[in-house]
Amino acid sequence: KQEVTQIPAALSVPEGENLVLNCSFTDSAIYNLQWFRQDPGKGLTSLLLIQSSQREQTSGRLNASLDKSSGRSTLYIAASQPGDSATYLCAVNGGLSGGSNYKLTFGKGTLLTVNP
Amino acid sequence: GAGVSQSPSNKVTEKGKDVELRCDPISGHTALYWYRQSLGQGLEFLIYFQGNSAPDKSGLPSDRFSAERTGGSVSTLTIQRTQQEDSAVYLCASSPLLENTEAFFGQGTRLTVV
Repeated sequence: KQEVTQIPAALSVPEGENLVLNCSFTDSAIYNLQWFRQDPGKGLTSLLLIQSSQREQTSGRLNASLDKSSGRSTLYIAASQPGDSATYLCAVNGGLSGGSNYKLTFGKGTLLTVNP
Repeated sequence: GAGVSQSPSNKVTEKGKDVELRCDPISGHTALYWYRQSLGQGLEFLIYFQGNSAPDKSGLPSDRFSAERTGGSVSTLTIQRTQQEDSAVYLCASSPLLENTEAFFGQGTRLTVV
């Protein structure tokens, strides 16, 4: 069974800091990994998708890396802003070794607070 | 273009009643997922549909839960004889394919069973 863990559970930083959010997964036979953002009371907004064959993806101030063999991904946020405050979720697609499994398995998220 | 649309956005129901939650995926997306997010918990997989293939129902928590997808588009999640523990946000997502494509989520339906 695929399990996804996100560390830290919560993070509070001053505005302008660079920060790293971590995600690990137990079964490396994944199709892709996706990072989402969730604001309170809202749905999920997709930030970045990394295919299993890729090492990283970048979008603006966000950079996500993937080390499939070690079961790890990081989300790097540069020059953080108060508007970045949200819960960040990592999800892996697949991972049932020896069988097809397309469901997204989510971590519990990292609650980020960027203080002005 | 329109994103994933879910209705209603909020639903309050009495224990024991049946409820139906609706999801309109992005046009052309063949894969559709339902997830549940309980207060303070992570997202729990319920079911996915892919085209005309048999759905993966492995995440449905009990036989009170069922889902269908008509014409490969709109999906309805039905919860029969609701219980208080069914209270949660129910999220729907769609993607062009199951693998190697980005999943897009709706805003969710907040279900409260009283």
